[in-house]
Amino acid sequence: GENVEQHPSTLSVQEGDSAVIKCTYSDSASNYFPWYKQELGKGPQLIIDIRSNVGEKKDQRIAVTLNKTAKHFSLHITETQPEDSAVYFCAASRRYSTLTFGKGTMLLVSP
Amino acid sequence: DSGVTQTPKHLITATGQRVTLRCSPRSGDLSVYWYQQSLDQGLQFLIQYYNGEERAKGNILERFSAQQFPDLHSELNLSSLELGDSALYFCASSNGASSYEQYFGPGTRLTVT
Repeated sequence: GENVEQHPSTLSVQEGDSAVIKCTYSDSASNYFPWYKQELGKGPQLIIDIRSNVGEKKDQRIAVTLNKTAKHFSLHITETQPEDSAVYFCAASRRYSTLTFGKGTMLLVSP
Repeated sequence: DSGVTQTPKHLITATGQRVTLRCSPRSGDLSVYWYQQSLDQGLQFLIQYYNGEERAKGNILERFSAQQFPDLHSELNLSSLELGDSALYFCASSNGASSYEQYFGPGTRLTVT
């Protein structure tokens, strides 16, 4: 089955800096890669996703890149703000299959 | 707010007991997924239902079962509870049979004492 590795497990940045979280996956047939943000006491919130037919997708301050050859994808957050502090999860799946999640990255943005 | 609702928010029960967790998907979504989240195991997929039928099974124990009703709400039944079953249980929904774009509910925190 699919295996998703996520790094780093914790990331501390200063407000205004950029943050990058990286994930690798094992199943070359995976073609859907979402990112979720989970705040304390809440459920995971879908923040951005990418499909295998594109290499990059942006939405305001967040972007995701995908390298299918290397089987890795990354989340980039620019101009970080304290409200970006949360746990971020990457995931991967193939069509009509289920999501496999990474272990999560705790992002702390200090004012 | 994702549009997915879960009840109850918290549940405290004793070992050996049985509990039922309830989930209502977003309006129009046909698929419901159940996940268990614990500190050591992360987010683990348990089971998926699509339009009333079981579609996929993950790491779900035999003591656990689920169903999806005609109105598309779903229930996760946990029986013979053990201390290790203490965790957050999330429900997610998506529009079709694919797992693309799953939206999560707020979760149920289960504490087994």
